[in-house]
Amino acid sequence: KAGVTQTPRYLIKTRGQQVTLSCSPISGHRSVSWYQQTPGQGLQFLFEYFSETQRNKGNFPGRFSGRQFSNSRSEMNVSTLELGDSALYLCASSRMGHRINTEAFFGQGTRLTVV
Amino acid sequence: ELKVEQNPLFLSMQEGKNYTIYCNYSTTSDRLYWYRQDPGKSLESLFVLLSNGAVKQEGRLMASLDTKARLSTLHITAAVHDLSATYFCAVDTSQGGSEKLVFGKGTKLTVNP
Repeated sequence: KAGVTQTPRYLIKTRGQQVTLSCSPISGHRSVSWYQQTPGQGLQFLFEYFSETQRNKGNFPGRFSGRQFSNSRSEMNVSTLELGDSALYLCASSRMGHRINTEAFFGQGTRLTVV
Repeated sequence: ELKVEQNPLFLSMQEGKNYTIYCNYSTTSDRLYWYRQDPGKSLESLFVLLSNGAVKQEGRLMASLDTKARLSTLHITAAVHDLSATYFCAVDTSQGGSEKLVFGKGTKLTVNP
C-alpha cells in the first residue's frame, strides 16, 4: 500500500517568494497534519485538516496556510518567504486523527531552503 | 502551554549496553508516541501508548507510560549499531476530535561498536 507522498522533495526559493507544498495521504486516510522541523525549534505543529476543514492550528504567522481537497490531498502555502522558513516540512496522515486510536504515518518531507 | 522534555539529548553508547531515554511532559495526556528518525529521513512510528501503565516492546526497544508522573521511558536493551538514530517522543494535545502532537527535542543516539 502506498505511503504518504510529499512533493516536491527539495525546493530552493528566494526571500519574498511564495511556495506551495503538496501531500497525498495514504488511501482511506482523511486526516492530514503538517509539521515544520528545524534544528533550532525542533518539530512544530502547523495545522491539521480533516474532511477539507482545518481542525487545529499551531502558533505560526498567517503567512502559513493550507487546505485540503475532497480526495484528502492537502497543500500548504507559505507566502513572503523569510530565511527562517528554511526547514523540513513533514506531513502526516491518519485514518481519523489520533483521538480515534489511529497511528499517524509521516511522509518523506519537503526540504525547503530560502536564500 | 504543553512542554515536552526529553533527556538526554545526546546519547553515545556501546553495543551490548542498556540505557533509558526519558520523556517528561507538563500537562495531562493519556496518549504518547515514540518515533525514530534517521538522518535525512522522515519519522517512523515506533510505539503508540494510549493509557496509564501501557508497556510495549519491539525487538530491543521497550516503551512505557506513567500518566500520573507524566513520564514515558524508552528502554534500549543490548544496543546494536542499527539503533543509531534520533528518537522523538510526542504527546497528543488534541481536543474536540482534532489532533496536535507536541514533540520533544529528540535524543540523538549513537551506538558504537
